[in-house]
Amino acid sequence: ETGVTQSPTHLIKTRGQQVTLRCSSQSGHNTVSWYQQALGQGPQFIFQYYREEENGRGNFPPRFSGLQFPNYSSELNVNALELDDSALYLCASSLGWRKATDTQYFGPGTRLTVL
Amino acid sequence: DQQVKQNSPSLSVQEGRISILNCDYTNSMFDYFLWYKKYPAEGPTFLISISSIKDKNEDGRFTVFLNKSAKHLSLHIVPSQPGDSAVYFCAATPKGGANNLFFGTGTRLTVIP
Repeated sequence: ETGVTQSPTHLIKTRGQQVTLRCSSQSGHNTVSWYQQALGQGPQFIFQYYREEENGRGNFPPRFSGLQFPNYSSELNVNALELDDSALYLCASSLGWRKATDTQYFGPGTRLTVL
Repeated sequence: DQQVKQNSPSLSVQEGRISILNCDYTNSMFDYFLWYKKYPAEGPTFLISISSIKDKNEDGRFTVFLNKSAKHLSLHIVPSQPGDSAVYFCAATPKGGANNLFFGTGTRLTVIP
């Protein structure tokens, strides 16, 4: 069983640009969640997708959007990048989302730097 | 507004001794609590969890205690080993069945050989 993978590992963008981050979930996991971890902070929930539909969202503006594909891959898109978007972006996959006991398995993250 | 708080950014413990990591929460709607461990350049890894209907859960060297009235939980590691050196995150999920996580800011544990 393969783990959760993310690409790229690191990324540098300038303010105002757009970025796409990618995640490959564990096979069979229908749920993917994205988190933002700023320096010195814990991960913050951005949104969650279940079977290709957004299933829940944290306190992030609409310029943060996502896609989930049938092949267990997903994307996080951020438009109009701001300096405060600099962070580690983590994706996590789980079998489901309805139970708190549906353990989330995290990828290693993508480090985004906005200059 | 930080709903899950870990007030100790770091903790150093001698190998073989007990490590106690603490976590407080403010939201009464949380009913499931988890600890994740994170090594550098890796994603957080699930360690242990506890439901709000329990006050203790044990898994090998790791025990989590929950005090609902105080809105406080702690993770005990006995005995501590150098491989336990990592950042530990406390997390919680709200009632209602969803599994999205609210994380604390983390505590960096260093186990000294």
